[in-house]
Amino acid sequence: DGGITQSPKYLFRKEGQNVTLSCEQNLNHDAMYWYRQDPGQGLRLIYYSQIVNDFQKGDIAEGYSVSREKKESFPLTVTSAQKNPTAFYLCASSIVVAGGPRQFFGPGTRLTVL
Amino acid sequence: AQTVTQSQPEMSVQEAETVTLSCTYDTSESNYYLFWYKQPPSRQMILVIRQEAYKQQNATENRFSVNFQKAAKSFSLKISDSQLGDTAMYFCAFMKQAGSYQLTFGKGTKLSVIP
Repeated sequence: DGGITQSPKYLFRKEGQNVTLSCEQNLNHDAMYWYRQDPGQGLRLIYYSQIVNDFQKGDIAEGYSVSREKKESFPLTVTSAQKNPTAFYLCASSIVVAGGPRQFFGPGTRLTVL
Repeated sequence: AQTVTQSQPEMSVQEAETVTLSCTYDTSESNYYLFWYKQPPSRQMILVIRQEAYKQQNATENRFSVNFQKAAKSFSLKISDSQLGDTAMYFCAFMKQAGSYQLTFGKGTKLSVIP
């Protein structure tokens, strides 16, 4: 099946630890994105990548890092510098089709800091 | 920068009735796309409907339709014949026509369909 996978589904981290969230897609999409979702908030963009080996900061990039070494993969690292990392994290990819771009989402990772 | 505002944090509707969710946005762009996404309790984001700003005709997808008022910067979602499976968070989102194709989201409306 084609789609976007995120792992793990639930992740627990101790304060002061870095943790990496996985995002893989087999849709052959060029662009990929990371969003953060907090209760009562919409999704906010952390980082995005339009091509391999290139990525850009979004609205809330502080305390996060990414890499894009392969087209299919866009891992997100939550560093100890992120002051409030407990949230739901969504990965997405996009493609331009007839009528315009479409963005598809993975199932998400719930990160909890203990 | 773009902003998206959803003024109704929560709404409820009786099964089989019709409900309208509101969304307004602010942008200086003339060409863009607007979307409604549904997030059920599973938390999977599902595209419900989208609208190209250059099209005057309102988009429809089965029971879902939009009222797009470009001058007023308004983009409401109408759900007809509401079903229990429509219970979810609904997010309005904006995308510029060119560039990174990133989405700017509103804070969402929690819709409950009551049997």
